[in-house]
Amino acid sequence: DQQVKQNSPSLSVQEGRISILNCDYTNSMFDYFLWYKKYPAEGPTFLISISSIKDKNEDGRFTVFLNKSAKHLSLHIVPSQPGDSAVYFCAATDPSNTGKLIFGQGTTLQVKP
Amino acid sequence: DAMVIQNPRYQVTQFGKPVTLSCSQTLNHNVMYWYQQKSSQAPKLLFHYYDKDFNNEADTPDNFQSRRPNTSFCFLDIRSPGLGDAAMYLCATSRAGTEYYGYTFGSGTRLTVV
Repeated sequence: DQQVKQNSPSLSVQEGRISILNCDYTNSMFDYFLWYKKYPAEGPTFLISISSIKDKNEDGRFTVFLNKSAKHLSLHIVPSQPGDSAVYFCAATDPSNTGKLIFGQGTTLQVKP
Repeated sequence: DAMVIQNPRYQVTQFGKPVTLSCSQTLNHNVMYWYQQKSSQAPKLLFHYYDKDFNNEADTPDNFQSRRPNTSFCFLDIRSPGLGDAAMYLCATSRAGTEYYGYTFGSGTRLTVV
């Protein structure tokens, strides 16, 4: 029973364009949602997060949108750069279980020059 | 720089031969986690320590054990590795109550079982 799902295994965009990465979840009790970025042979690094009481959080080129009624969140990267090419993981914290992070399976983003 | 360090980066072990992976941190975080990630799958939490309290996930096989001798170090022991245990093992840390700011992950140990 996968509570956090990233249904697109891969995404390819042109440099300078917008990248939109999507994530769906099933547990309405999740209180925080996070995005991680992972380069090959490295551990995931924290990118941006959003509280469940908000619908948008922005940090530079990265914006996360949360639609609670649809149990859906998305990460927008504008403009996309070749250095953004990585695997992006969506994750959620479960307050009923010590706040542990539950991850999606990841989306590989390729930004073409 | 404060960080989470995992050793070794790559580990090859024989089928059934016990293996230990290590994780150390200089962040003084009180929570430490071990995740298993297989190719193209979501990282899966195996267990975590909240200070000295050990918390095992219900579906973590008995083959996997962990030790945390002090705040800085945490070990993952695989008593009898099988071919299905080949994966990337990720250690992460956090300060309880600050999960909104994300965990800090190590670079991982890639385990190969031959």
